[in-house]
Amino acid sequence: GEEVAQTPKHLVRGEGQKAKLYCAPIKGHSYVFWYQQVLKNEFKFLISFQNENVFDETGMPKERFSAKCLPNSPCSLEIQATKLEDSAVYFCASSLIRDSLSPYGYTFGSGTRLTVV
Amino acid sequence: DQQVKQNSPSLSVQEGRISILNCDYTNSMFDYFLWYKKYPAEGPTFLISISSIKDKNEDGRFTVFLNKSAKHLSLHIVPSQPGDSAVYFCAASARGGSQGNLIFGKGTKLSVKP
Repeated sequence: GEEVAQTPKHLVRGEGQKAKLYCAPIKGHSYVFWYQQVLKNEFKFLISFQNENVFDETGMPKERFSAKCLPNSPCSLEIQATKLEDSAVYFCASSLIRDSLSPYGYTFGSGTRLTVV
Repeated sequence: DQQVKQNSPSLSVQEGRISILNCDYTNSMFDYFLWYKKYPAEGPTFLISISSIKDKNEDGRFTVFLNKSAKHLSLHIVPSQPGDSAVYFCAASARGGSQGNLIFGKGTKLSVKP
């Protein structure tokens, strides 16, 4: 399809529980990016993939966060043992080519709002 | 340490007038800049971009100006319309870098009043 599909739209987890977010990029897009937006502030880069390979993971917290993009499956972002500070909107974006070479930027999904209580 | 700064959290403009949204950056390696528009409960949508080899890029009602010496860019919307009311994010990247990720500012909420 021509949109980046993120599921679920909303997710509520108790502190310490696991959270798993999904992203189906636009068909044919090779690059997938995950961003975290806390309290409507700036978007914090987490990780990017080139197809199923991690391209850049410099923004990923070393503990508790993991992500995958497997062939023929939606990409996923998983948070083990969630903390209150993980509450945020998580955006996925996809791009045909590495975005810094693209004149059109990414195409973003509408995000998953994670609330940790 | 914010590399991309949007110092005005909000801006209110009358319909038909010009809206000017500002953005400053600190990293001299940035050579590509983009503006995104975001409505509530939606993801950001790409609006316009500019390469550092240019100082102006225009697309319909939207124009982006880049002043490299001042590390400053601005987005002009003219004439402003009520449908332009949204949060606008400035973003930057270093195209020559090995990564492709964008660095975003905190956004400016634009309200266009009829």
